[in-house]
Amino acid sequence: QQQVKQSPQSLIVQKGGISIINCAYENTAFDYFPWYQQFPGKGPALLIAIRPDVSEKKEGRFTISFNKSAKQFSLHIMDSQPGDSATYFCAASLAIGGTSYGKLTFGQGTILTVHP
Amino acid sequence: SAVISQKPSRDICQRGTSLTIQCQVDSQVTMMFWYRQQPGQSLTLIATANQGSEATYESGFVIDKFPISRPNLTFSTLTVSNMSPEDSSIYLCSVEGGTTGELFFGEGSRLTVL
Repeated sequence: QQQVKQSPQSLIVQKGGISIINCAYENTAFDYFPWYQQFPGKGPALLIAIRPDVSEKKEGRFTISFNKSAKQFSLHIMDSQPGDSATYFCAASLAIGGTSYGKLTFGQGTILTVHP
Repeated sequence: SAVISQKPSRDICQRGTSLTIQCQVDSQVTMMFWYRQQPGQSLTLIATANQGSEATYESGFVIDKFPISRPNLTFSTLTVSNMSPEDSSIYLCSVEGGTTGELFFGEGSRLTVL
């Protein structure tokens, strides 16, 4: 019930291409879906997040697409750059006490490599 | 945003010993979260630490193995007790911040148990 499944495990794209990472969740009570980016030796950093009342959210080159009925969401990175090479984690959460989303369930991670 | 400092950044420990990881935040926060990231794997929540109360542990994690202290609103410690090689992981402290409540992570404490 608490799982978040992420695919692919690894992804190689050429500079300028589109990177797409997919996640599926089971718990319909989840109501917060962030994506985190992690560089080697660093902690994860929030990239973009979405709540289930919208189907898409875009911030610069990064877009989340959300399909509530299918219980799936995806990250699209447009015009991928070598600097985007990192590990990406999707996650899901439901509110603690109505306001806190700190208890995240993470996907398995995707290692993205963008070739110049 | 929140700035989180963790100590130590890395350590190599012997089996059977214990290590305490410190987490300092640059602002007062109600809840602090401790996550574990095993080598090449995802992050798993260990426990939630509220100031002035006992930490709440997730399934599979127990207080005897991972005692947590939360003496004030800017500081917490996680102890990994009686370590075994299976405890080799990155331990991450995190707090919520910003207007959207996003979770900020420290850079982690990389622990290797021999």
